[in-house]
Amino acid sequence: GDSVTQMEGPVTLSEEAFLTINCTYTATGYPSLFWYVQYPGEGLQLLLKATKADDKGSNKGFEATYRKETTSFHLEKGSVQVSDSAVYFCARGNFNKFYFGSGTKLNVKP
Amino acid sequence: KAGVTQTPRYLIKTRGQQVTLSCSPISGHRSVSWYQQTPGQGLQFLFEYFSETQRNKGNFPGRFSGRQFSNSRSEMNVSTLELGDSALYLCATQALGGPEYTQYFGPGTRLTVL
Repeated sequence: GDSVTQMEGPVTLSEEAFLTINCTYTATGYPSLFWYVQYPGEGLQLLLKATKADDKGSNKGFEATYRKETTSFHLEKGSVQVSDSAVYFCARGNFNKFYFGSGTKLNVKP
Repeated sequence: KAGVTQTPRYLIKTRGQQVTLSCSPISGHRSVSWYQQTPGQGLQFLFEYFSETQRNKGNFPGRFSGRQFSNSRSEMNVSTLELGDSALYLCATQALGGPEYTQYFGPGTRLTVL
């Protein structure tokens, strides 16, 4: 069935390190792909999205490319900050339903 | 546009009681989904309403129910509360039609069952 798999956390990095959080999906059809971020005590906020193959979503220095051939949507950031510490969720969605990954906690140390 | 609002933000109940949570969607959004988030189980899908009809349902017992009104506002109800129902309940709304499939989340209602 349709699903989203993302790397388990927590991921601990030093400030200014490079970040990759892997995400792969299974799907029928052509879903849109999303990354959401959740800060402590808050709901999920949309970080970026891509609606078709080869699209690159980007926001706040984060980016992810919709790779249909590898069914992946990995999140990257060149230089993380302490303020990026949060839980990141990968998701795929279409008209009918959304599927979320289990979330990856990122801890960035000064 | 105003974002998704959820009320109340915090609730404390005791076992056996029931609770009703409310979600007001972004203007023009007709789909409302509910999720339960706990540290152990992550984000779990409860149900989705569209045009006042339940369109999708997750694997939760019948104690969890919901409804949607003609203005797209939605409520979820949990009856006979159990300790394990303590969680953050999130609603997400979605505009349907065209390429816009993004779900937008509210801040959540933190339910504590004592």
